[in-house]
Amino acid sequence: DAGITQSPRHKVTETGTPVTLRCHQTENHRYMYWYRQDPGHGLRLIHYSYGVKDTDKGEVSDGYSVSRSKTEDFLLTLESATSSQTSVYFCAISGTGREEPGGEKLFFGSGTQLSVL
Amino acid sequence: SQQGEEDPQALSIQEGENATMNCSYKTSINNLQWYRQNSGRGLVHLILIRSNEREKHSGRLRVTLDTSKKSSSLLITASRAADTASYFCATDRAGSARQLTFGSGTQLTVLP
Repeated sequence: DAGITQSPRHKVTETGTPVTLRCHQTENHRYMYWYRQDPGHGLRLIHYSYGVKDTDKGEVSDGYSVSRSKTEDFLLTLESATSSQTSVYFCAISGTGREEPGGEKLFFGSGTQLSVL
Repeated sequence: SQQGEEDPQALSIQEGENATMNCSYKTSINNLQWYRQNSGRGLVHLILIRSNEREKHSGRLRVTLDTSKKSSSLLITASRAADTASYFCATDRAGSARQLTFGSGTQLTVLP
């Protein structure tokens, strides 16, 4: 999956506990994204990063925070997990610097299945 | 609200037949992309079509874009059992190219 590693692959946690998901890339891509995938909703953007320490909110950012201290790592944190955050979380990257403007495609990791009980 | 919506939600065909999936969106776009997702895996980029293009081909894939109707179609010709997957369209927004919005997908099943 294009040099993208998500960890953990599966996690079960309890309501109210903090959870951190990690995305690691070896492609030196500039942009990194966190999406969640739920039945009937497709993929929805949570947060994205356009550089080290540069992040912005997506469509469903409430209850989530992110950090990017290194080019290769993008962390997604659920400060206090809720059952509505049970989902499959995907990390994606883009931005090789060789695309034409407006023509960047995303490369996805294999996902993290998170269950909040 | 979702920018792209696929139609149909599910499609079942025989091997060798053509499969057509449609995507509608709401606002002006820079480009539209199609992705494929096999069960339990991440999405894989298939093809990108820009707003000033009307048709694009890649192997057995043919994508059309009608910006006046805000719609796109993905045609897979001579389908194979290995094409069984979910297919998603994704649109950016003019002025917000970094925020791709995905539809809810079409589940394609190709029967051998």
